[in-house]
This record gives sequence, C-alpha cells and structure tokens, in this order.
Amino acid sequence: DTAVSQTPKYLVTQMGNDKSIKCEQNLGHDTMYWYKQDSKKFLKIMFSYNNKELIINETVPNRFSPKSPDKAHLNLHINSLELGDSAVYFCASSQGSGSPGELFFGEGSRLTVL
Amino acid sequence: SQQGEEDPQALSIQEGENATMNCSYKTSINNLQWYRQNSGRGLVHLILIRSNEREKHSGRLRVTLDTSKKSSSLLITASRAADTASYFCAHSSTNDYKLSFGAGTTVTVRA
Repeated sequence: DTAVSQTPKYLVTQMGNDKSIKCEQNLGHDTMYWYKQDSKKFLKIMFSYNNKELIINETVPNRFSPKSPDKAHLNLHINSLELGDSAVYFCASSQGSGSPGELFFGEGSRLTVL
Repeated sequence: SQQGEEDPQALSIQEGENATMNCSYKTSINNLQWYRQNSGRGLVHLILIRSNEREKHSGRLRVTLDTSKKSSSLLITASRAADTASYFCAHSSTNDYKLSFGAGTTVTVRA
C-alpha cells in the first residue's frame, strides 16, 4: 500500500488554466505538507495543515489554494497558471504537531506549464 | 532565508569508496534530518539527529551534528551503485513548525 499518494503524476497544461493536484495519506498522520521543487532541485515548503487546520502558509501567490477536507487528504488547486509554476510538487505527511519529525513524501506531481 | 546549504553540490566516487557531504544552517534547531531522492522519485527519510545528539549511525550511514558550528555531515561508507541519488539535509528550527531543506548534494557512484 502506498503511504502517501499523489495524483496526477504528470500534468501538462497551458498558461492561464486552472489545475488541481490531490494527495492522500494512509499513515494516520496529523500533519500534511505541500513542497515545491524547482528545476535546480531546490525544495521549498508552501503549506502545512494539522488536522485540517492551516498552520504554515509561506509566501505563496494566492493563486495557490490548499484544501484539506479531512486529515488524510490535502489537495492543491492552482488558478491562472504561469510559466514559473512549472515544477515538481510534493505532498508529505508527518506524525503529531509542532516541530516535525520524519516526513513521508509522495512520488511527486510534475507540472509543466506551456 | 532559513534554507540550509550543502557542500559539495555534486560528488562522483568509485564503488566501495566513502562519500561525505556537509550541511550548514543558520538557526537554532530541534532536529536535523537527512533524506535521499532517487531520480524522478520522492524523498526518503534516512536519519534524524536531535539537537542534543552529536553522532548517529544507521547501517552504512553516519551522521554528525555540531550545533556550535551549525553544521552536520553525512558519511556513506562502502558506497554502492544503488547509492547514486541526491541527498538533502533538512532542519527543524526551534521557532517554527516547518522542515527547511538544503539544496542537496548529487552523488554518483561509478561501478
């Protein structure tokens, strides 16, 4: 069983479109994250939710809207896609709240904006 | 920025050799972690070292932490071709709830 699963794995779309990436974890973890990895492999946190409550919201354009319907799911919706949004987006989860311990990552969703 | 820095950016070694990579950070930390990322895959947790620990081992991995220098090192002994990957350090600061990653070291192990 996949612990943290993301869909889709690949996403190719035109500038200006809206797209969503879904994430689910079956580990029973309380905290979920979205990270963005750019072409130089630089990994930057975007959002974090603990039990459906937003606890980290980095300086991310408000075109990005996370939604957590329950603590096992964290989705990412992106409006009006721009070329600079092209990246690999990783979902992750960890047990508990507060200072994070081990993170479990999904396989990533590669977004290409043309 | 709270991002860590890693050194070297890339490393190429022969199978059987040891690989050492270093990581520096700027804040006070709760813990520091190392992750591996194979090409096209997600990150996999390798080891976590707490701020009050100085050294930790896991199989062929050895991690050290020097909080006075705000630095850590990861040593992979007797490397194998399967160790070819990018390695990232990540630290958890005492004043926030996020794990901040370094830029990674790309390790290539030649057979």
